[in-house]
Amino acid sequence: QVQLTESGPGLVHPSETLSLTCTVSGFSLTGYSVYWVRQPSGKGLEWMGRMRYNGDTSYNSALKSRLSISRDTSKNQVFLKMNSLQTDDTGTYYCTRGFAYWGQGTLVTVSS
Amino acid sequence: DVVLTQTPPTLSATIGQSVSISCRSSQSLLHSNGNTYLHWLLQRPGQSPQLLIYSVSRLESGVPNRFSGSGSGTDFTLKISGVEAEDLGVYYCVQGTHAPWTFGGGTKLELK
Repeated sequence: QVQLTESGPGLVHPSETLSLTCTVSGFSLTGYSVYWVRQPSGKGLEWMGRMRYNGDTSYNSALKSRLSISRDTSKNQVFLKMNSLQTDDTGTYYCTRGFAYWGQGTLVTVSS
Repeated sequence: DVVLTQTPPTLSATIGQSVSISCRSSQSLLHSNGNTYLHWLLQRPGQSPQLLIYSVSRLESGVPNRFSGSGSGTDFTLKISGVEAEDLGVYYCVQGTHAPWTFGGGTKLELK
């Protein structure tokens, strides 16, 4: 069955870079797009960007200068890297396949 | 970017009551390919979002048929015909017609 699992550090210091991995199973990354979505604690959802099935990427314009999404199809993994983290980047980060399948989310806290 | 405005922000209902949530877009969500990529999600407390309705009115597999979606262009509605206790949580509309994808601010459904 389709599964997505996010992983990464729970704590990141201000101004540092966040690196997250979304490991997928039950489908091929060359057949489906994967999105990253985040949710500040107690707030709404924000679309961050996507890795398309063909390897193309697109990003939320508000995050574009800090964000990079890549993949390793041989490992069934999609990566998110975001630099210059600040405290308002604290929240839960999800990967999702077309909004139909979601990971459990990973909590990222930005704090010194 | 497309702005999605959801109303009301909070909705109080009794079990069995029918309710509606509105999602209004700042521009038409009709794609040049003839499809309209407006979807509805439910996020129950402590859980990842779940897709309920995709492309305005198509019920996701496994979702009860008390959920229905309608609308076109810039105005869309999610209706729940007979609220059940498991329906409580926050509802989001999301558009995938114009990049970057964007979410509505959410509507919290509570028990009266």
